[in-house]
Amino acid sequence: DVKVTQSSRYLVKRTGEKVFLECVQDMDHENMFWYRQDPGLGLRLIYFSYDVKMKEKGDIPEGYSVSREKKERFSLILESASTNQTSMYLCASSGLANEQFFGPGTRLTVL
Amino acid sequence: DAKTTQPTSMDCAEGRAANLPCNHSTISGNEYVYWYRQIHSQGPQYIIHGLKNNETNEMASLIITEDRKSSTLILPHATLRDTAVYYCIVRVGGMFQGAQKLVFGQGTRLTINP
Repeated sequence: DVKVTQSSRYLVKRTGEKVFLECVQDMDHENMFWYRQDPGLGLRLIYFSYDVKMKEKGDIPEGYSVSREKKERFSLILESASTNQTSMYLCASSGLANEQFFGPGTRLTVL
Repeated sequence: DAKTTQPTSMDCAEGRAANLPCNHSTISGNEYVYWYRQIHSQGPQYIIHGLKNNETNEMASLIITEDRKSSTLILPHATLRDTAVYYCIVRVGGMFQGAQKLVFGQGTRLTINP
């Protein structure tokens, strides 16, 4: 079974802190994604990566950066957390058939 | 991606088959039908996808009409843990399509009743 894991299920941070969200997949997938999900706004793509060290902006990249140093790991970085970044963060990886497998999500609260 | 239409909500008794319909009348020849679900407070879960033939896996069956304008996801023996929002998505799929973002519509809220 494909497994996508995320470093934390729940996280509470203060405004201005640097936040690291880690995602690891075990299926040797090329493509990895970071989304955020908010009530009424659905799933929104922040960044994605189609290969090691390659990254592309999604629809809402402002305030975020990413890192993909190894194929299995895709990290999302909030350089200076703000309250409007309180959200559910979802990592996914996709296989050759373009199906996406998601991690359990990290619910981030920024105070 | 072609637009899909799903009922807002459905109920099903535990142990019975849950049949979730999806209309996608503008689907084009290279677009696949994908189904995902999201249980409350969890990440979305991939269920199944297909192009034109019916598909079955350990989770569900997907029946696509011959004209491909609609499909039905079947959960053969629904359990309480199948209560979730189910999303039908139509998009270009198959091998080597590259990274594509996922966009969910409103989906169908399926409630399995004891």
